[in-house]
Amino acid sequence: NAGVTQTPKFRILKIGQSMTLQCTQDMNHNYMYWYRQDPGMGLKLIYYSVGAGITDKGEVPNGYNVSRSTTEDFPLRLELAAPSQTSVYFCASSSTRDGGTYEQYFGPGTRLTVT
Amino acid sequence: SQKIEQNSEALNIQEGKTATLTCNYTNYSPAYLQWYRQDPGRGPVFLLLIRENEKEKRKERLKVTFDTTLKQSLFHITASQPADSATYLCALGSGGSYIPTFGRGTSLIVHP
Repeated sequence: NAGVTQTPKFRILKIGQSMTLQCTQDMNHNYMYWYRQDPGMGLKLIYYSVGAGITDKGEVPNGYNVSRSTTEDFPLRLELAAPSQTSVYFCASSSTRDGGTYEQYFGPGTRLTVT
Repeated sequence: SQKIEQNSEALNIQEGKTATLTCNYTNYSPAYLQWYRQDPGRGPVFLLLIRENEKEKRKERLKVTFDTTLKQSLFHITASQPADSATYLCALGSGGSYIPTFGRGTSLIVHP
């Protein structure tokens, strides 16, 4: 199992540009998440999904969009990038069949700089 | 609103000693608490979960306590090693919720 994979690893965007961060998991997990992590800060939830076709906002959804057309993929779309979106983005997944550990599996992250 | 506090200052200890990290919370009654390890440039990795009705959980050199009266969890690493150096995050969740809230983490540095 590759687990959770994210692409790209690094990206520099100009203000106003758009991009999609890709996330794929091969563990057949029903939950998927997008977090951002700023230096010295914890993980802030952007969006999450409880299954294909179902998404919901987290704590900091403004400026982002998501979709979940399959169990495996959960792309994060940034429209009109702003410097405030400079951060490290983590995708994660978990399963309600995990025996109650609520364990999240994280990808390696995407480091995004908006200038 | 609910608040999770982890010491923002790094904890420096000597190899072989026990490291103790703290996770405090307010305005919250979590059903479970998790601890994750995060290495620089990597995503967090799950270590342990403890539930509200459990006082203590152990896994190898790790021990976690959960005091719902003090609203605090302590995370201990015994016989610490330089390889234990990392940032440790706590996360709290409500019963049945797969959407926990993460603390900002505490950096642990173990000196040889």
